Amino acid sequence: GAGVSQSPSNKVTEKGKDVELRCDPISGHTALYWYRQSLGQGLEFLIYFQGNSAPDKSGLPSDRFSAERTGESVSTLTIQRTQQEDSAVYLCASSSGRVNQPQHFGDGTRLSIL
Amino acid sequence: RKEVEQDPGPFNVPEGATVAFNCTYSNSASQSFFWYRQDCRKEPKLLMSVYSSGNEDGRFTAQLNRASQYISLLIRDSKLSDSATYLCVVNSWRGGWGKLQFGAGTQVVVTP
Repeated sequence: GAGVSQSPSNKVTEKGKDVELRCDPISGHTALYWYRQSLGQGLEFLIYFQGNSAPDKSGLPSDRFSAERTGESVSTLTIQRTQQEDSAVYLCASSSGRVNQPQHFGDGTRLSIL
Repeated sequence: RKEVEQDPGPFNVPEGATVAFNCTYSNSASQSFFWYRQDCRKEPKLLMSVYSSGNEDGRFTAQLNRASQYISLLIRDSKLSDSATYLCVVNSWRGGWGKLQFGAGTQVVVTP
């Protein structure tokens, strides 16, 4: 497809389980971002990938959170030993990373921890 | 201090009226600016880029004030469908590549 694709759309899991979220960016986009958004709150930056540079992990809330990206393709966000406060919508966005180029968002993954 | 700050609102606007709000940024080297719109329980969507000379897109006008480090969005002839949260986005540069940063959003509620 032409847009950013995220999967799954919804994920319900029990506290303590690990989850893996996937993001497929727009082809050719070198920059990829992960955010999370709790209900009624703003976007919370998690991690930023730019090409083959070291990722900016400054937004990851704890060491239970990690993300990988292979080259300029798919990224996975992994949350280990999930907690109820991890419940949120996880949004992925990509951009070309160049001047004046905006981000384009996927539809998000709605994560619910029981 | 946050790098990008917005008045959270809500701005309650009668249908047909004009509403305007600002976004301030702290990095004087920022070069790219955008306004996004986010509807409830949806992903943010690009509304418009903001250019140095200011720009219009229909009922929406965006301005950039570099001296005071803020951008603004003005909505004329407000429609009920304009009710949303408007997010300001500013870049910060690292080694020639841009990392875009979001404000927390300004909520606009257009009432009949």
